[in-house]
Amino acid sequence: SQQGEEDPQALSIQEGENATMNCSYKTSINNLQWYRQNSGRGLVHLILIRSNEREKHSGRLRVTLDTSKKSSSLLITASRAADTASYFCATDAGYQKVTFGTGTKLQVIP
Amino acid sequence: DVKVTQSSRYLVKRTGEKVFLECVQDMDHENMFWYRQDPGLGLRLIYFSYDVKMKEKGDIPEGYSVSREKKERFSLILESASTNQTSMYLCASSLGGRGSSYNEQFFGPGTRLTVL
Repeated sequence: SQQGEEDPQALSIQEGENATMNCSYKTSINNLQWYRQNSGRGLVHLILIRSNEREKHSGRLRVTLDTSKKSSSLLITASRAADTASYFCATDAGYQKVTFGTGTKLQVIP
Repeated sequence: DVKVTQSSRYLVKRTGEKVFLECVQDMDHENMFWYRQDPGLGLRLIYFSYDVKMKEKGDIPEGYSVSREKKERFSLILESASTNQTSMYLCASSLGGRGSSYNEQFFGPGTRLTVL
């Protein structure tokens, strides 16, 4: 069964704007990860946030985690056309595997 | 860099054929995974393996089997392909091992399988 649900399903913004994607999940987790998938390709790991962390940054990415609400958000600042991709959250409950959500499709218009 | 390779990018098979999808990773990872990806459904786990000759069912194992005879290779087998198995198949690996807490996954490029 799906653990993570991303919102919105699709997002279209102008280059230079910020993009925010949200992920909600159902059960306790050890960590939450975000991945990017360019069209027709495999997924690439972006960032991992542990359950005892509230915020994490990596370059233009900012991830927050609220374990009380079982939710996370991914913010991409100053978006570029190359950021056009699908973004997935994945929850790790500690069983050597992760569970992926259905993804947010981001389009950045030049 | 971790490299995960899959035997084919595109594959076309006929209903009833036996299909083998191969995945190889070069970073001595313990864990390997097979997913299928369908529009609107995200990634669904078919099978995973945390050691040689070990396997566990994922969320949708029906109609599939797997083989892991060597640490670096994980094969997905469709015993008798059906049209509803037309999908994108993604292989991944992660470090795993006893005490491993952070399981970042590394993905192959995917195999787009069409069953006619």
